[in-house]
Amino acid sequence: TQLLEQSPQFLSIQEGENLTVYCNSSSVFSSLQWYRQEPGEGPVLLVTVVTGGEVKKLKRLTFQFGDARKDSSLHITAAQPGDTGLYLCAGEPSGNKLVFGAGTILRVKS
Amino acid sequence: GAVVSQHPSWVICKSGTSVKIECRSLDFQATTMFWYRQFPKQSLMLMATSNEGSKATYEQGVEKDKFLINHASLTLSTLTVTSAHPEDSSFYICSASRASGSHEQYFGPGTRLTVT
Repeated sequence: TQLLEQSPQFLSIQEGENLTVYCNSSSVFSSLQWYRQEPGEGPVLLVTVVTGGEVKKLKRLTFQFGDARKDSSLHITAAQPGDTGLYLCAGEPSGNKLVFGAGTILRVKS
Repeated sequence: GAVVSQHPSWVICKSGTSVKIECRSLDFQATTMFWYRQFPKQSLMLMATSNEGSKATYEQGVEKDKFLINHASLTLSTLTVTSAHPEDSSFYICSASRASGSHEQYFGPGTRLTVT
């Protein structure tokens, strides 16, 4: 079973601070996706990374895929209360099934 | 594009009854749909993978006779929770993968099931 270890599980920060969420595995993934989910709603796809070493930016969010395609990180600059939510990483080992990390609950206080 | 809907968004039922949840891809064709279960403040747990026109593949520990899945068309999959019990209360989420191209999954808004 391929596992994705996501950390931290919970993060509470002040508005304006920076943060990084990590997803690590001993397995190689053909792609890795990051989702954000708000209570009572389904996850919303933020980004997909497919190439080792790839870096993608989405406004204040920076996503990186490790060179060996075993790990990924999400960095948020100057967090805002609207960034509050559950962040999930999900890796695609092969085929079309996703392996999800445990999730990071982010709370940004104003 | 890539919008997935679920119906109903929430449902309350009595123990012993069955509940059907629909998952539709509104603007694309989905050869594969997935059903997940999620407990509060936890990640998604894959229950089964549903391919159009064939039997669903269930994850280990998921009872296929209790969670009936039908994927009758490229835009619709249904999950029926049979003889529901309070422990089946949960947030059920479906996702759909396009018929071609990448394997990105697009999620529905979820269905909150409460069994009394």
